[in-house]
Amino acid sequence: GENVEQHPSTLSVQEGDSAVIKCTYSDSASNYFPWYKQELGKRPQLIIDIRSNVGEKKDQRIAVTLNKTAKHFSLHITETQPEDSAVYFCAASSNTDKLIFGTGTRLQVFP
Amino acid sequence: GAVVSQHPSRVICKSGTSVKIECRSLDFQATTMFWYRQFPKQSLMLMATSNEGSKATYEQGVEKDKFLINHASLTLSTLTVTSAHPEDSSFYICSASDSYEQYFGPGTRLTVT
Repeated sequence: GENVEQHPSTLSVQEGDSAVIKCTYSDSASNYFPWYKQELGKRPQLIIDIRSNVGEKKDQRIAVTLNKTAKHFSLHITETQPEDSAVYFCAASSNTDKLIFGTGTRLQVFP
Repeated sequence: GAVVSQHPSRVICKSGTSVKIECRSLDFQATTMFWYRQFPKQSLMLMATSNEGSKATYEQGVEKDKFLINHASLTLSTLTVTSAHPEDSSFYICSASDSYEQYFGPGTRLTVT
């Protein structure tokens, strides 16, 4: 079945540094790749997404890149702030709309 | 953005009883609703996909007779955990899709004693 792997599982950075989280997926039919930020006990919040017709998308300090050939996509957060600390999940979906989530990355940004 | 609500937000029940969780899309009609379960420090695991007026599609390993899903309208789906046991204690999250994006509910924390 579909599988999404996510690395690293934990990531600690100094405030102002960049953070990169990587995901790989198995289903070549996947065409939608969202990233979610989840704080403890709360719902996942969509922070950025990318569809398979583009290779990169940027929104202020957040960017996502997609390599369909290699089935890789990555989240880049620049100029990290303590409030960026949370668990981040990647996900992949094909036209069936079903989201398969990665295992999550706990990001800690130290002041 | 679109709003999805869930009720209740927290529930504690005794082992052997059943619990119903409601998921509503408040300002749009959802073509599809999804139910996820999330154990502490783990990812969201899809349990089932629910379409209005038809039977839910369950993921492998999810017992359809234990987790009953009813999708009576384009704005409401319910998940009933039947004969709950302590191992069913988890965070249950629904989402509603408008065919372009999924919008998540705030989750329901179920504790079975």
